Amino acid sequence: EPEVTQTPSHQVTQMGQEVILRCVPISNHLYFYWYRQILGQKVEFLVSFYNNEISEKSEIFDDQFSVERPDGSNFTLKIRSTKLEDSAMYFCASSVVSTNEKLLFGSGTQLSVL
Amino acid sequence: AQSVTQLGSHVSVSEGALVLLRCNYSSSVPPYLFWYVQYPNQGLQLLLKYTSAATLVKGINGFEAEFKKSETSFHLTKPSAHMSDAAEYFCAVSSGTSGSRLTFGEGTQLTVNP
Repeated sequence: EPEVTQTPSHQVTQMGQEVILRCVPISNHLYFYWYRQILGQKVEFLVSFYNNEISEKSEIFDDQFSVERPDGSNFTLKIRSTKLEDSAMYFCASSVVSTNEKLLFGSGTQLSVL
Repeated sequence: AQSVTQLGSHVSVSEGALVLLRCNYSSSVPPYLFWYVQYPNQGLQLLLKYTSAATLVKGINGFEAEFKKSETSFHLTKPSAHMSDAAEYFCAVSSGTSGSRLTFGEGTQLTVNP
């Protein structure tokens, strides 16, 4: 069964550094998402992406965040200058349809900002 | 605006007992509703979903949920708990429209005692 793949599984960085979290969505999927889960809290929507542009973003997704689909297979989330509060599990998800009924999540990247 | 409330952050049952995890939602439009399971150090796995078809939805691993519009509920049940069911369970809602975000509940940690 096809899977959404995220790398790395764990990322440790120093505050103020840039990080790029990588995702390989399922090949025929068209809709891409990032969610995050701070330890002990609920999963939160960050951004949705379709047709090479952001469809929707949450209030969390400020100017420090950006997304890109650089080569037609990868989908990346960049945090320009990490803060302590960016420490979280980041989940990539993709779907072949625009609604959420066939959304598939990756296993996540645990980001630790020191 | 949409929201989800999961009653009980921790639920403990004995092996073989009924599992009941509660979820109430709020939505200004007809909702799509989901239950996800998260095992330790893993991503989110879809258990089942309601997308305006049958109100009783069957999912994987013997779980099912019933959509009750009058009660704005979507409780998750399983007749007989297994040790392998121990995990965190998340209820989520979306509007079902194109690209809409998932809004998650706080999660319920299920413990299964031998």
